[in-house]
Amino acid sequence: DAGVIQSPRHEVTEMGQEVTLRCKPISGHNSLFWYRQTMMRGLELLIYFNNNVPIDDSGMPEDRFSAKMPNASFSTLKIQPSEPRDSAVYFCASSLWVAGGRGMLFFGSGTQLSVL
Amino acid sequence: ELKVEQNPLFLSMQEGKNYTIYCNYSTTSDRLYWYRQDPGKSLESLFVLLSNGAVKQEGRLMASLDTKARLSTLHITAAVHDLSATYFCAVDHDMRFGAGTRLTVKP
Repeated sequence: DAGVIQSPRHEVTEMGQEVTLRCKPISGHNSLFWYRQTMMRGLELLIYFNNNVPIDDSGMPEDRFSAKMPNASFSTLKIQPSEPRDSAVYFCASSLWVAGGRGMLFFGSGTQLSVL
Repeated sequence: ELKVEQNPLFLSMQEGKNYTIYCNYSTTSDRLYWYRQDPGKSLESLFVLLSNGAVKQEGRLMASLDTKARLSTLHITAAVHDLSATYFCAVDHDMRFGAGTRLTVKP
């Protein structure tokens, strides 16, 4: 398996533009997470899905952020409009979730977002 | 809201020395995870601890879990430079991470 695949690896955009980050989880995994990492705030959980259903989006900073998981093999994180303070590394991770608990998370390589 | 606290946040140690990183969490959970992140890289999984009293070892790293105390430890034995990285713990309640411990091993 190729692991968790994120795209793009790097994104540079101007303030006010729409940004879409993409993630393909590991085949067979049914739990998907979006994190944001900055020096100031560390690794923040934004949202996670179980079986394509959003479970907890309390970490989404504000209405400018939205995430979707239309099927088991694809998820997007959209920022509209983007602001300089959104600059960060965004990670997607997936795991297998069963009644007894969740397996290890496998992380993608991340998307380095710079909003100018 | 679940809180996950790690200490120390920064650790500088000499090669060959031993040290322990602590992870405290605020809610009941039977599973705890440890991850490693090298500078500029993604996170890779180290251990998943599945129950109270669980102990896992890999090379110079050993992790343990006390669910009653809501405490996990990551013990480093005879540190080597290659262990320099940031170590994170996370709790299975909703996979929130601690702030991380940045470990630097000096020759």
